[in-house]
Amino acid sequence: DGGITQSPKYLFRKEGQNVTLSCEQNLNHDAMYWYRQDPGQGLRLIYYSQIVNDFQKGDIAEGYSVSREKKESFPLTVTSAQKNPTAFYLCASRTYGELFFGEGSRLTVL
Amino acid sequence: GDSVTQMEGPVTLSEEAFLTINCTYTATGYPSLFWYVQYPGEGLQLLLKATKADDKGSNKGFEATYRKETTSFHLEKGSVQVSDSAVYFCALTPGNAGGTSYGKLTFGQGTILTVHP
Repeated sequence: DGGITQSPKYLFRKEGQNVTLSCEQNLNHDAMYWYRQDPGQGLRLIYYSQIVNDFQKGDIAEGYSVSREKKESFPLTVTSAQKNPTAFYLCASRTYGELFFGEGSRLTVL
Repeated sequence: GDSVTQMEGPVTLSEEAFLTINCTYTATGYPSLFWYVQYPGEGLQLLLKATKADDKGSNKGFEATYRKETTSFHLEKGSVQVSDSAVYFCALTPGNAGGTSYGKLTFGQGTILTVHP
């Protein structure tokens, strides 16, 4: 079945550590996105990529980095520079129209 | 820039009650409009969409009509069930995203719906 797979589902990190969240899709979609979700704030766009080897900053890119070496993969690194990284992270992809979402990764900084 | 405003929640209803969740937007041109639903601990799923003015999206008993004159896309359901308890997000994407442009989706802040038996 086609879809988007995010891993890990839950992740704990100590302050000062970088962590990478995986996002893989087999939908053959060109565009991929990372959103952050906090209670009461909806979804905020971190980074997005429309084609391989190219990506753009979203509204809250500071403290995050991404790569797009393959069409199927769009990993997100949460760096130690991100001041408040505890959140629910959602990866999505699209061709035209709507986004298709993964199940999300919940990151908790201890 | 584009923006989406949803009615504040949480919304609490009894089973079989009528549901309305208001959504208004600000955007240039003719955006496409969406409603997504998020069940606890999961990602978002597309509930319905409309791509042009006066279009009505519908799915699972939910409906929303694209009203350009009032820049609204209110979600309605005639008789809610306990299983409809979730967070509902209204969203838009720029009008040219129906072609080859992968414009950003802009989301509202979400409305929590709880339905009691």
